[in-house]
Amino acid sequence: NAGVMQNPRHLVRRRGQEARLRCSPMKGHSHVYWYRQLPEEGLKFMVYLQKENIIDESGMPKERFSAEFPKEGPSILRIQQVVRGDSAAYFCASSPLAQLLYEQYFGPGTRLTVT
Amino acid sequence: ELKVEQNPLFLSMQEGKNYTIYCNYSTTSDRLYWYRQDPGKSLESLFVLLSNGAVKQEGRLMASLDTKARLSTLHITAAVHDLSATYFCAVADGGATNKLIFGTGTLLAVQP
Repeated sequence: NAGVMQNPRHLVRRRGQEARLRCSPMKGHSHVYWYRQLPEEGLKFMVYLQKENIIDESGMPKERFSAEFPKEGPSILRIQQVVRGDSAAYFCASSPLAQLLYEQYFGPGTRLTVT
Repeated sequence: ELKVEQNPLFLSMQEGKNYTIYCNYSTTSDRLYWYRQDPGKSLESLFVLLSNGAVKQEGRLMASLDTKARLSTLHITAAVHDLSATYFCAVADGGATNKLIFGTGTLLAVQP
């Protein structure tokens, strides 16, 4: 059973470009969480999605950031018009259910560098 | 709003010594995690603590949870260089989303 997969692992974008980060959850998992880790900081929750639904986006910046988890295919975190402050590691985690009983499994992360 | 505080932020210790990392959280939660992160890597799950009084041990690391005090500890026994990493605690927010709220992390450097 493959773990959570994220691609690309490293992404370099110039200011103003768009960044698309992909996350394929573990097989059988229909719940995806995105977290951001700024340099020298802990992870901060961004958004929680189920298939075709955004359940909690309380941690998402109000502008330029969006997320989706379509019925088919990976979850996508999209950052438009990137700025240097978006440089960070972005981790996704998946879970079979959102209940406390179920642990989240983390992917390897995408490290975004904005030049 | 659930807040998680960890201390110390940085810990330099000699091999063979013992030390404890503390994790305090502000509101009730029944699930606490400890993770290890090596530089440039993802999170490695170390422990999941589910109930008051829970204690788990793996090698030189032992974690405990006191839900009444809202405190978890990660105790390191006879540290070795291989334990050098950043350690995070995270508390499940509960509710409908079960999102994780992370502490600031403790950078552990074990000196030979």
